[in-house]
Amino acid sequence: EDQVTQSPEALRLQEGESSSLNCSYTVSGLRGLFWYRQDPGKGPEFLFTLYSAGEEKEKERLKATLTKKESFLHITAPKPEDSATYLCAGRMNDYKLSFGAGTTVTVRA
Amino acid sequence: DAGVIQSPRHEVTEMGQEVTLRCKPISGHNSLFWYRQTMMRGLELLIYFNNNVPIDDSGMPEDRFSAKMPNASFSTLKIQPSEPRDSAVYFCASSPSGRLYNEQFFGPGTRLTVL
Repeated sequence: EDQVTQSPEALRLQEGESSSLNCSYTVSGLRGLFWYRQDPGKGPEFLFTLYSAGEEKEKERLKATLTKKESFLHITAPKPEDSATYLCAGRMNDYKLSFGAGTTVTVRA
Repeated sequence: DAGVIQSPRHEVTEMGQEVTLRCKPISGHNSLFWYRQTMMRGLELLIYFNNNVPIDDSGMPEDRFSAKMPNASFSTLKIQPSEPRDSAVYFCASSPSGRLYNEQFFGPGTRLTVL
């Protein structure tokens, strides 16, 4: 069964304290691993798509990496505005995304 | 670009009432998705339209749920009759065609509460 699992469920960081979020997947024939950011009361906002093992993408303090079984979202020197829920999703076919439950990140000043 | 527009943003209704959620996708996007998000089940795909045609409705929970896309700029998700377990945030998302792996752009969602 296709499955996407995120850990930890919640992460509390001090401003400037770097950390990583994990997304493991068992999606057969994965056609892309997606990362989204979701703020309270808003829809998910697209961050990255990774297609093949070894691929990396960066945006400001965020860097996403992909292996054959998991993806990591690294947050370097986070700021309070990085507080959000981060969702990863595996794409199973041409259109269907299977989302993980998310990791809620809280960054304290 | 205004992004995906959803209305209403909040809906409170009583059990048994009909509920209609509305979505305007981003202009030029050929694919439209309806999702439901709950604490228990996370974000789930309900139905997928491509060029206004329903392609995959396997996520629609039961016959009480129906969705239409009469034209490229408008879609509705209807629940009739509504039940308390339908309470959730419903998102509409759209994506462009022409590339194989397209990110989906989400609307702000409609928070539905069924009493």
